[in-house]
Amino acid sequence: AQSVTQLGSHVSVSEGALVLLRCNYSSSVPPYLFWYVQYPNQGLQLLLKYTSAATLVKGINGFEAEFKKSETSFHLTKPSAHMSDAAEYFCAVSGYGNNRLAFGKGNQVVVIP
Amino acid sequence: EAQVTQNPRYLITVTGKKLTVTCSQNMNHEYMSWYRQDPGLGLRQIYYSMNVEVTDKGDVPEGYKVSRKEKRNFPLILESPSPNQTSLYFCASSLRGTGSSGANVLTFGAGSRLTVL
Repeated sequence: AQSVTQLGSHVSVSEGALVLLRCNYSSSVPPYLFWYVQYPNQGLQLLLKYTSAATLVKGINGFEAEFKKSETSFHLTKPSAHMSDAAEYFCAVSGYGNNRLAFGKGNQVVVIP
Repeated sequence: EAQVTQNPRYLITVTGKKLTVTCSQNMNHEYMSWYRQDPGLGLRQIYYSMNVEVTDKGDVPEGYKVSRKEKRNFPLILESPSPNQTSLYFCASSLRGTGSSGANVLTFGAGSRLTVL
């Protein structure tokens, strides 16, 4: 079975500062990793996906994540936070040939002007 | 427009009154799934379906039923709702992953906020 851990339910970041959201995964098979974003009163939408090609994955809105097998991590970063980045972010994992996604508990990001 | 449509978006009901939340997708996706979202718990999978007439339990199936009679529809049924089923529910769909592809990208509905009194 696969699982992910996201620490720190609420993350505050100043506008223009680095956004760093941590995700560690557990998987007995090669993982496929995702970051989803949920804006207020909306469903989730995909930010980026790791599928065993490049370890550094670029997504929408300037976000990127790096897969590190040795650390079982898939942390999400953005160099400079914008007010529009205020949202909840979820890390998720699936396994080889497995359609099911296991989600983390999410990080609520607040951007301070 | 490719989308997953859930109805109702908001519902307040009372304990024991059966209700159905509908979910429909127009992308010809094989895989469909229901999640519930609760503060501090993230998204937890209730049921999923790999194709028509194929459904299976997720992590929190108690108190829920589903059916998949048509490819596009995947309703969630609460036969006897209880207050602990007050939550935000999401339906999602994707193409079915095969071989080494793992899970495909999910398309989510806008959510259905259910309150059980």
